[in-house]
Amino acid sequence: AQSVTQPDIHITVSEGASLELRCNYSYGATPYLFWYVQSPGQGLQLLLKYFSGDTLVQGIKGFEAEFKRSQSSFNLRKPSVHWSDAAEYFCAALNTGGFKTIFGAGTRLFVKA
Amino acid sequence: DAGVTQSPTHLIKTRGQQVTLRCSPKSGHDTVSWYQQALGQGPQFIFQYYEEEERQRGNFPDRFSGHQFPNYSSELNVNALLLGDSALYLCASSLKILRSYEQYFGPGTRLTVT
Repeated sequence: AQSVTQPDIHITVSEGASLELRCNYSYGATPYLFWYVQSPGQGLQLLLKYFSGDTLVQGIKGFEAEFKRSQSSFNLRKPSVHWSDAAEYFCAALNTGGFKTIFGAGTRLFVKA
Repeated sequence: DAGVTQSPTHLIKTRGQQVTLRCSPKSGHDTVSWYQQALGQGPQFIFQYYEEEERQRGNFPDRFSGHQFPNYSSELNVNALLLGDSALYLCASSLKILRSYEQYFGPGTRLTVT
């Protein structure tokens, strides 16, 4: 069955430190991949997406993600975290038919001063 | 440019009742998808509407139904509410012809079933 796994329920990093959030997917063929961020009481905002081509994709707010086919992973990174990055982050995959997006359970990011 | 809007913001219903949630897509978008997000979980795909038809459905019972209107707005209806239907319901819109699959999400409707 198709699935998206985010192994870390929550992560705490110090402001200014680097960040990596993990995501693994299980699909028959490589799906389209996304990272979304959700702040409390708000909807989801798209950070970045991967469809094909360059395996390192740049997104908004200084985030980037690297697609690794051999590991079925699409990890999100940021070199220096800001307090405003504290939020819930969701990895998602969309089959190439383009209808059904499957989300991971999310990783809650806490940023300490 | 108005983004995706949803109404109402919050809703409290009793078990067995019926509820209707509404969504207006981002201007120019023609596709609407609905998701259920239970507390502490990721969004779960309910169904997608395009050209006023349900195109695909997630693993949800027939109590969940929807509709898309000619202006692309959409409604989600849930009948015979259960306590387990308490969740944040998210609407997302996109433009099918672009095949960009970028979805824009609304702020959601928080449904509480008592």
